[in-house]
Amino acid sequence: TQLLEQSPQFLSIQEGENLTVYCNSSSVFSSLQWYRQEPGEGPVLLVTVVTGGEVKKLKRLTFQFGDARKDSSLHITAAQPGDTGLYLCAGAHTNAGKSTFGDGTTLTVKP
Amino acid sequence: DTGVSQDPRHKITKRGQNVTFRCDPISEHNRLYWYRQTLGQGPEFLTYFQNEAQLEKSRLLSDRFSAERPKGSFSTLEIQRTEQGDSAMYLCASSQDRASSYEQYFGPGTRLTVT
Repeated sequence: TQLLEQSPQFLSIQEGENLTVYCNSSSVFSSLQWYRQEPGEGPVLLVTVVTGGEVKKLKRLTFQFGDARKDSSLHITAAQPGDTGLYLCAGAHTNAGKSTFGDGTTLTVKP
Repeated sequence: DTGVSQDPRHKITKRGQNVTFRCDPISEHNRLYWYRQTLGQGPEFLTYFQNEAQLEKSRLLSDRFSAERPKGSFSTLEIQRTEQGDSAMYLCASSQDRASSYEQYFGPGTRLTVT
């Protein structure tokens, strides 16, 4: 079983603070996706990382794929209440039909 | 581009009834996936189609569950003799069929409540 473990499970911070959430696995993935999900809605794709050591930036969000392609992190700078949501990571293998998801980090940013 | 759509958004049914959900993928995507998500967990893979062919099914998909994609466009997921444990969000996703097609785009989901 290819498990993705996300930490922390819950995170509550004040507006303007920085944070990092993690996604770890014992398996190597060809790529890893980060999604953000709001209650009652489907996950929305934020980014895909493919190359070991890759860093991608999306405004205040910075995503990093580990050198061994087993782990990833998401760093948010100056968090805003609009960043509140469930952050999911998902790993995929080449030619595989499915993605394996972690259980997510629930982020709450208080104004 | 209208994105992935799912219908209905919510379904309440009594235990033992059959339910059917529909998913319309992004038009140029020929891969379609079904996932199930319960509270506090990430989505769990159920099954996947490439065009009309069902290529993989999870062990989670018991014989009460069946999925079809008859013309390689929309898909249906049917649950027969529903049980309370079937209560969950059922998510559909689609992607393009190419070597770098790791990115799946999700619909809004169908929330099933079995009473």
